[in-house]
Amino acid sequence: AQKVTQAQTEISVVEKEDVTLDCVYETRDTTYYLFWYKQPPSGELVFLIRRNSFDEQNEISGRYSWNFQKSTSSFNFTITASQVVDSAVYFCALSEEANFGNEKLTFGTGTRLTIIP
Amino acid sequence: ETGVTQTPRHLVMGMTNKKSLKCEQHLGHNAMYWYKQSAKKPLELMFVYNFKEQTENNSVPSRFSPECPNSSHLFLHLHTLQPEDSALYLCASSSFSGANVLTFGAGSRLTVL
Repeated sequence: AQKVTQAQTEISVVEKEDVTLDCVYETRDTTYYLFWYKQPPSGELVFLIRRNSFDEQNEISGRYSWNFQKSTSSFNFTITASQVVDSAVYFCALSEEANFGNEKLTFGTGTRLTIIP
Repeated sequence: ETGVTQTPRHLVMGMTNKKSLKCEQHLGHNAMYWYKQSAKKPLELMFVYNFKEQTENNSVPSRFSPECPNSSHLFLHLHTLQPEDSALYLCASSSFSGANVLTFGAGSRLTVL
């Protein structure tokens, strides 16, 4: 069975600090996908990134970066120079191989990030 | 309208009421999903529809009844709910070629009294 663990329930940092959100996953599949979603106070989950299990390259997108390490089954998310608009709940998720319209994502419990001005 | 739209955004109902949640996607996607989000729990997949056909029912109690009349619309009919059913219900959609990325609506916040 698949499982995603986000051990950090809540994190608060002062604006402009860097912050890392941890994600550890469990799966028996050799092909799988990892995701991060952001849920702002408005409610909708906003897709941030998708990474497949064969691509261990780290990715950077502006102030966001992701570190994927298969050896430790982790897919951590770092926000550099945090801003108040980054305040949200962040979810890590895992899915089996793309199923073309029948996707089953397993989500973690989320990390609530608060950026203090 | 763009993306995935859910109505109503907030709903309060008694345990004997019958109500419905509506979801509409304007993305041309073929699959639609209902998720339940409760406090301090992972998102729970409830139902999946692919080209209007139900492909997943994740052991959801029969007091929740989904309906998918076409690939753009998804309903969740609610009847005789329990207080523990109070949660945020999220609708999502995905496309055949979308590489398993789900697009979510803003959710319907349900309170059962």
